[in-house]
Amino acid sequence: GIQVEQSPPDLILQEGANSTLRCNFSDSVNNLQWFHQNPWGQLINLFYIPSGTKQNGRLSATTVATERYSLLYISSSQTTDSGVYFCAVEDKIIFGKGTRLHILP
Amino acid sequence: DGGITQSPKYLFRKEGQNVTLSCEQNLNHDAMYWYRQDPGQGLRLIYYSQIVNDFQKGDIAEGYSVSREKKESFPLTVTSAQKNPTAFYLCASSRSGWEQYFGPGTRLTVT
Repeated sequence: GIQVEQSPPDLILQEGANSTLRCNFSDSVNNLQWFHQNPWGQLINLFYIPSGTKQNGRLSATTVATERYSLLYISSSQTTDSGVYFCAVEDKIIFGKGTRLHILP
Repeated sequence: DGGITQSPKYLFRKEGQNVTLSCEQNLNHDAMYWYRQDPGQGLRLIYYSQIVNDFQKGDIAEGYSVSREKKESFPLTVTSAQKNPTAFYLCASSRSGWEQYFGPGTRLTVT
């Protein structure tokens, strides 16, 4: 099956910093989503992005399907951005192990 | 409001008992999914259903059972055969082939 790898596994940043999270996948995919899991466990949809670039406020994402990776950019980090960010691919959704982000005030 | 509800939020059971977790959606989505999350890990697929009265096993179906009698509902039963049932269980739904939306989850503790 498709393998999904996320990096870095952990990231600690000062409030206001920018960050880039990466998701590599081992085969071509039709669907790709980015999620943010908040401290209460709720998974929040960030982007549905099988290809191309999307932006939503301070967050943006780019998927280069031919090279099998996706990037999530977070600009001007806030403490509320803390949590785990997951990349997931395909209909049955194969999840990466996530990037745990800590934003320090 | 449209959305996905899971109940209860926390559930405690004794070892050897079956327990059923509820998942309801009013988004008119065809597909529904159950995932399990262990501490510090990603999500793993237990079962999914793309249409009423039909469902397929995911990667870790052993010890679990589901039913899909109504489009809106996809309950998950954790049976006594599941060796390590303590986990966070998440339900999701989608229009087939499109992005998934998740419920708030149920934390199950079995002692």
